[in-house]
Amino acid sequence: NAGVTQTPKFQVLKTGQSMTLQCAQDMNHNSMYWYRQDPGMGLRLIYYSASEGTTDKGEVPNGYNVSRLNKREFSLRLESAAPSQTSVYFCASRPTGHNEQFFGPGTRLTVL
Amino acid sequence: KQEVTQIPAALSVPEGENLVLNCSFTDSAIYNLQWFRQDPGKGLTSLLLIQSSQREQTSGRLNASLDKSSGRSTLYIAASQPGDSATYLCAVRAGSYQLTFGKGTKLSVIP
Repeated sequence: NAGVTQTPKFQVLKTGQSMTLQCAQDMNHNSMYWYRQDPGMGLRLIYYSASEGTTDKGEVPNGYNVSRLNKREFSLRLESAAPSQTSVYFCASRPTGHNEQFFGPGTRLTVL
Repeated sequence: KQEVTQIPAALSVPEGENLVLNCSFTDSAIYNLQWFRQDPGKGLTSLLLIQSSQREQTSGRLNASLDKSSGRSTLYIAASQPGDSATYLCAVRAGSYQLTFGKGTKLSVIP
């Protein structure tokens, strides 16, 4: 099992550009999450998906959209990137009925 | 709004020492608390998860305790090793499986 994978690992964007961060898990988990991690702050939840076909806002959803394409994949889209979205983005998944979340390696995004 | 605080922000200890990392949370109505390890440039690895009904969990040299009523958890690391150097994060789940994270404690174990 690869676990939770994220692509790309690194990305540099210019202000106003758009891009999609990809996340996939091969553990047959129902729930998936997107977090951002900024220096001096804890991880903050952007969006989550409790199951295929459903998505909900987390603590900091503004400026982002998500798609739960199927059970395996959960993508995060920045329509018009801003410097404030420079961060490390983590995807996580969780099996139904269990509390533990499993994290991917992260995508390091810089918006100039 | 739930807030999670971790003290100290950074800690440096000589190899072999036992150490304690602290985590406090403002709302005691939690389902569970989870401790993670994060290595530089890497994702998070779950170390221990304590349910709200439990007082502690152990895994190898790690022991995590939970005092829900006082809003505190500690992570005890016995006989520290240089390989334990990392940032340790605690997170609480208060509902709908959303986690609230602390900012972490950066641990350096000096050989």
